[in-house]
Amino acid sequence: DTEVTQTPKHLVMGMTNKKSLKCEQHMGHRAMYWYKQKAKKPPELMFVYSYEKLSINESVPSRFSPECPNSSLLNLHLHALQPEDSALYLCASSHDPQGNYGYTFGSGTRLTVV
Amino acid sequence: GNSVTQMEGPVTLSEEAFLTINCTYTATGYPSLFWYVQYPGEGLQLLLKATKADDKGSNKGFEATYRKETTSFHLEKGSVQVSDSAVYFCALSDPMDTGRRALTFGSGTRLQVQP
Repeated sequence: DTEVTQTPKHLVMGMTNKKSLKCEQHMGHRAMYWYKQKAKKPPELMFVYSYEKLSINESVPSRFSPECPNSSLLNLHLHALQPEDSALYLCASSHDPQGNYGYTFGSGTRLTVV
Repeated sequence: GNSVTQMEGPVTLSEEAFLTINCTYTATGYPSLFWYVQYPGEGLQLLLKATKADDKGSNKGFEATYRKETTSFHLEKGSVQVSDSAVYFCALSDPMDTGRRALTFGSGTRLQVQP
């Protein structure tokens, strides 16, 4: 299995809703990442988990809450989002935290906040 | 800090034309360099990579050579197809950048190939 699987593929939520994005990989990668991508822009790093511990939070608002239950799973909990949070949310993983062997990305969750 | 600069797009080519997308970088250490491709409505796929100077990455007819002297990693393909239409991102990972430990992306270059 050489994939990163993200669910759901599409999500529409209201500003008062609570939802979660899920990401799974079975490659034995020890680092996992959340990125946010707006249209026609490169991905922006949100969070990094290294060996299941949060190692980087790029000053992301608290309405985004990451969780890494085990080495294969990564969640992003969403609460009280704003319309400007609408974007493609990408999960990625890498064999090592330095990423020297490259990063594998999922196909993303397209989030629309109404 | 680290940065990646790509040529502005969109790049519009006819099928079977030669492709070059320029990429230059600034890094504190000795980074690994990557090209990712994003097809419409999809996530990013690793196209090719190079981990040290003079390495050539290649995949699906695409090539890029890690040039330390010019800090460049230009993407080339000899004959593009309509199916190559996508956004291409140059990126680096710098093991010396211990505070960040993630990819630094260029702004992306949209390629449109016409039949």
